[in-house]
Amino acid sequence: GQQLNQSPQSMFIQEGEDVSMNCTSSSIFNTWLWYKQDPGEGPVLLIALYKAGELTSNGRLTAQFGITRKDSFLNISASIPSDVGIYFCAGQSSGTYKYIFGTGTRLKVLA
Amino acid sequence: SQTIHQWPATLVQPVGSPLSLECTVEGTSNPNLYWYRQAAGRGLQLLFYSVGIGQISSEVPQNLSASRPQDRQFILSSKKLLLSDSGFYLCAWSVDQNVAQYFGPGTRLLVL
Repeated sequence: GQQLNQSPQSMFIQEGEDVSMNCTSSSIFNTWLWYKQDPGEGPVLLIALYKAGELTSNGRLTAQFGITRKDSFLNISASIPSDVGIYFCAGQSSGTYKYIFGTGTRLKVLA
Repeated sequence: SQTIHQWPATLVQPVGSPLSLECTVEGTSNPNLYWYRQAAGRGLQLLFYSVGIGQISSEVPQNLSASRPQDRQFILSSKKLLLSDSGFYLCAWSVDQNVAQYFGPGTRLLVL
């Protein structure tokens, strides 16, 4: 079956630093989504990517749809304490309603 | 704008009792609706999805069921809960296939 590897699993960073995380798939995706989840809450959509090579920003967040269509990257610039949380990627192949979710990257920001 | 509601927010139920979780969406018509379960520290597992009233597709065989009695209402049920049903249940909606899904606030279920 399809597999989605998300890395790193967790990271501690200093406030103000830039953060990078990525997801890789065993198969080609047509859509990539990035979410942030705070404890006890539902995931909130950060960025949606629909085209290979697409680079999209949302404030300090930038995500890219890999050119091979098997990976995606999320970058956070100048991290702040409220960036703490779990970031999930999700990918979807054509012809299916099902998104495959990564296992998440837990981000902790040290002030 | 669209909003999605789930209730209850938290539920503690004994093993063998029935379950009914409700999800409603406002501000859109004929949404695709989804039920997910999230185990502690894990990713999301799709349980059911629906493209219209009365249309339910199951992704994982289990003792849960789903129904869509109205266009913007999605219900997750069980006749007899198991310990393994504990988890965080999330409802989501999208306007179509292959586009972004938007999640509700979730229901935390603890089966004792």
